[in-house]
Amino acid sequence: GENVEQHPSTLSVQEGDSAVIKCTYSDSASNYFPWYKQELGKRPQLIIDIRSNVGEKKDQRIAVTLNKTAKHFSLHITETQPEDSAVYFCAASLPRRTGGYQKVTFGTGTKLQVIP
Amino acid sequence: DAMVIQNPRYQVTQFGKPVTLSCSQTLNHNVMYWYQQKSSQAPKLLFHYYDKDFNNEADTPDNFQSRRPNTSFCFLDIRSPGLGDAAMYLCATRTIGAPTEAFFGQGTRLTVV
Repeated sequence: GENVEQHPSTLSVQEGDSAVIKCTYSDSASNYFPWYKQELGKRPQLIIDIRSNVGEKKDQRIAVTLNKTAKHFSLHITETQPEDSAVYFCAASLPRRTGGYQKVTFGTGTKLQVIP
Repeated sequence: DAMVIQNPRYQVTQFGKPVTLSCSQTLNHNVMYWYQQKSSQAPKLLFHYYDKDFNNEADTPDNFQSRRPNTSFCFLDIRSPGLGDAAMYLCATRTIGAPTEAFFGQGTRLTVV
């Protein structure tokens, strides 16, 4: 099955600096890579995603890059703000197979702290 | 408006007493997932449905079962909760076809006493 590793487990940055979180996946068949932000006691919420036919995607201060050959993808947050403080999870999704399902496997999470 | 609704938000149960958590969705999504999330850990997939097709993860304990009577509702049954089953339980839904995000409910925090 799919295995997703995520680094670092904790990350502290000064407000205004950039933050980078990296993930690797094991199954080359994975074709969809979402990133979720989870605040304490709340549900995971999608912040950005990328499909396997795209190398990079950007949405304002957030960008994701994907290297299919190396099987790794990264989240980049620029101009960090205190409200960016949360736990971030990467995930990888396998495509539908016979019988039909799209399994989503999460990375281990990164606790990001933005220091004002 | 909430699209994936989990009830209750907080559940306290006694050790060994069966408990059921519920999830409903208004998105008409084919796929529904149940995740277990313990403190400071990633959500761990327990099982999921593609319509009525049930898929169990190999390491999901037999103590956990699920029912999906229709597209909108899905239940997680814990037959004999142990202290180690205390966690946040997250339900998520997803459409099929081109890969898209999974929508999560608010979760049910289960306490076992």
